[in-house]
Amino acid sequence: GQSLEQPSEVTAVEGAIVQINCTYQTSGFYGLSWYQQHDGGAPTFLSYNGLDGLEETGRFSSFLSRSDSYGYLLLQELQMKDSASYFCAVSSNTNAGKSTFGDGTTLTVKP
Amino acid sequence: NAGVTQTPKFQVLKTGQSMTLQCAQDMNHEYMSWYRQDPGMGLRLIHYSVGAGITDQGEVPNGYNVSRSTTEDFPLRLLSAAPSQTSVYFCASTHRTGYGYTFGSGTRLTVV
Repeated sequence: GQSLEQPSEVTAVEGAIVQINCTYQTSGFYGLSWYQQHDGGAPTFLSYNGLDGLEETGRFSSFLSRSDSYGYLLLQELQMKDSASYFCAVSSNTNAGKSTFGDGTTLTVKP
Repeated sequence: NAGVTQTPKFQVLKTGQSMTLQCAQDMNHEYMSWYRQDPGMGLRLIHYSVGAGITDQGEVPNGYNVSRSTTEDFPLRLLSAAPSQTSVYFCASTHRTGYGYTFGSGTRLTVV
């Protein structure tokens, strides 16, 4: 089976940096993805890590350590519009096409 | 490009009724999935498909059927609606493992 753990809530101030952690247990790990979802909206894809290390996309970065079964999403220069839920998701190399999501982290950005 | 299109956007069903949620994508993606999201919760995988004619069960498949007769379409059928199936349903697609999923805008289903 697959399971993921991430904090339920994180609060930060505008302009700050915040890190959202994700630990996972899965058989046949292939990669870790991150998604953003605003209230009432659909999830949107942010980043993917298949190999160890850091991937950077503008203000967002994502990190993966396969040996530690751990990853994180780093958001820099926080803006009010970054207030949303963030989900990590693992994909499997034994069940192609199957992605399992964590329960999500609600980020609140305060002025 | 329309991306992933889901219909209807809202639906109210009576217990015991059946219905089909439609999902279509125009990106020629091989992989398609159905998720449900309960209030304040994450996304739980119902069924998924890696290509036309190939489907498999996810974490919560009971009460739902799927078929994939074409690359573009992946309908989800509720066989006999129950109040526990009240949720928001998302359809998603991607090229293959390692690429991000594109989600539809969702169907908000209430079963009374």
